[in-house]
Amino acid sequence: ETGVTQSPTHLIKTRGQQVTLRCSSQSGHNTVSWYQQALGQGPQFIFQYYREEENGRGNFPPRFSGLQFPNYSSELNVNALELDDSALYLCASSPVEGSTGELFFGEGSRLTVL
Amino acid sequence: AQSVSQHNHHVILSEAASLELGCNYSYGGTVNLFWYVQYPGQHLQLLLKYFSGDPLVKGIKGFEAEFIKSKFSFNLRKPSVQWSDTAEYFCAAASTGGFKTIFGAGTRLFVKA
Repeated sequence: ETGVTQSPTHLIKTRGQQVTLRCSSQSGHNTVSWYQQALGQGPQFIFQYYREEENGRGNFPPRFSGLQFPNYSSELNVNALELDDSALYLCASSPVEGSTGELFFGEGSRLTVL
Repeated sequence: AQSVSQHNHHVILSEAASLELGCNYSYGGTVNLFWYVQYPGQHLQLLLKYFSGDPLVKGIKGFEAEFIKSKFSFNLRKPSVQWSDTAEYFCAAASTGGFKTIFGAGTRLFVKA
């Protein structure tokens, strides 16, 4: 069974740039959620995708956007990067719609914005 | 507002000591509760979960947690910790039928050999 994989693992951007992070869900999982984990904090929910549509969103501005593809993989896009966007971005998949069950996490993409 | 609070940010214990990590949640409606663990260099993984039924739930590696509805708490316990339990522990909650899981800020546990 292949787990959740994310790429890239680390990246550095400058303020104002755009970034795309990628996630492959665990085999058999059709729901993908994205979380932002700032230093010293717990993961914060960004949004969830199910059947290629956004299924729910946390308190993040529209410059955070995403996609889900027919193979259930997903992208997180962040435009107009700000210094506070520096964080670990986690992708989590689950086998059912919604995240009320167990989440299976990838190892994350660490973004540094200079 | 929905929230999850963890009482301790850092805990240091000696091997064989007992562990209890506090977690309180604020949620409307029916809630599912979780503890996740992140070992050094590894990804977040589920330690245990509570959906309904017996309020005392057992997880992997000898961990257990007790759901006390009247106190809005879901504390994690282990009778005797090992050096390999050194990790960061996150309490989390999700409303039944919802779409997001809310995490606490985490507790870093260091177990001295």
